[in-house]
Amino acid sequence: QQQVKQSPQSLIVQKGGISIINCAYENTAFDYFPWYQQFPGKGPALLIAIRPDVSEKKEGRFTISFNKSAKQFSLHIMDSQPGDSATYFCAASISNTGKLIFGQGTTLQVKP
Amino acid sequence: DAGITQSPRHKVTETGTPVTLRCHQTENHRYMYWYRQDPGHGLRLIHYSYGVKDTDKGEVSDGYSVSRSKTEDFLLTLESATSSQTSVYFCAIRVERGSYNEQFFGPGTRLTVL
Repeated sequence: QQQVKQSPQSLIVQKGGISIINCAYENTAFDYFPWYQQFPGKGPALLIAIRPDVSEKKEGRFTISFNKSAKQFSLHIMDSQPGDSATYFCAASISNTGKLIFGQGTTLQVKP
Repeated sequence: DAGITQSPRHKVTETGTPVTLRCHQTENHRYMYWYRQDPGHGLRLIHYSYGVKDTDKGEVSDGYSVSRSKTEDFLLTLESATSSQTSVYFCAIRVERGSYNEQFFGPGTRLTVL
């Protein structure tokens, strides 16, 4: 019940296209859902986060869509660029504990 | 980079050897976390701290201990390293920003146990 399942494992997108990464969770007590971006040899960097009281959050080219009834959330990267090539992790937590449960990660490659 | 440093950045050690990894923060945040990252598993929480001398276990705590004697330092110890503990270890701090408690990660320590 603590798992967060992420798909796909890898993704190849053409420059200018839309990248979509999906995550699903079971624990309805989760109330904070961040996405992290990680480049090789670096630590994960917080990209964008959402709470379940909203269905969508947009920051620049990055959008989180949240479906509380389906217990799913997704990251959309609009106008994908080669510089977006990285590994992306979704996560979930119960905010008062701060303990993040991560998905398995998605390696995104954006071809020029 | 949220003022987090980790040391050492790389370490190779032998099975059965004790190892201590250090996480240092400059901003006085209360919560600190240790995660390990392995292919196919994402990041998994080992231990976390919610104040000086206050620590608790995460999902993969067996074989690890932690200590926090001052706010800025959080130490992770492998009492007797095993090959299964070969991994990349990340420290994180929690920053309260409005209704969000955001976690920021350090640069990581790559540990190889031979």
